[in-house]
Amino acid sequence: DADVTQTPRNRITKTGKRIMLECSQTKGHDRMYWYRQDPGLGLRLIYYSFDVKDINKGEISDGYSVSRQAQAKFSLSLESAIPNQTALYFCATAGGSKTQYFGPGTRLLVL
Amino acid sequence: EDQVTQSPEALRLQEGESSSLNCSYTVSGLRGLFWYRQDPGKGPEFLFTLYSAGEEKEKERLKATLTKKESFLHITAPKPEDSATYLCAVQALNDYKLSFGAGTTVTVRA
Repeated sequence: DADVTQTPRNRITKTGKRIMLECSQTKGHDRMYWYRQDPGLGLRLIYYSFDVKDINKGEISDGYSVSRQAQAKFSLSLESAIPNQTALYFCATAGGSKTQYFGPGTRLLVL
Repeated sequence: EDQVTQSPEALRLQEGESSSLNCSYTVSGLRGLFWYRQDPGKGPEFLFTLYSAGEEKEKERLKATLTKKESFLHITAPKPEDSATYLCAVQALNDYKLSFGAGTTVTVRA
């Protein structure tokens, strides 16, 4: 079984819709992250969380929100999706070693 | 602001043709430099962490090295299954974020 899972794996939505991407991990890590990946731009950090009560903005948080429901769950929401939020979204986790381990990704298309 | 630049953007190799990928970085005190491999449609897979200049790590046909300004990922006698995008990232001291480069896409032809 995968250590970091993301749902859904693929999603098509329309401009203005609210959507949620979910991430679960079984690694027992405290730290969780959300990134987006665009061609030629690499991975950019959206939000990160060190524990359930500690959530921080990354470099591109505008238009996104997150919820850390439990140590193992970290959700990313797009309050009102727009086409330039079309991207690959990755969740990652890290423990004491600080090495980040990534999930399989969610491919999001906003029409 | 931390910056990571990877070159070349793409690299096409013949099976068995060794080569190197470059990762140049600027960071206000390096906690660690990370290499990941990413296959199409999948999440990045962790390969190595390097912490100080002069450090080297190896895994199968891959060898990563680190200086104060750059890191190299050497691919020795590559095989088609080494085809992937290789990502470099840095983490600064007193920081828990990673700053990623755009990656180098390696294609190995049989």
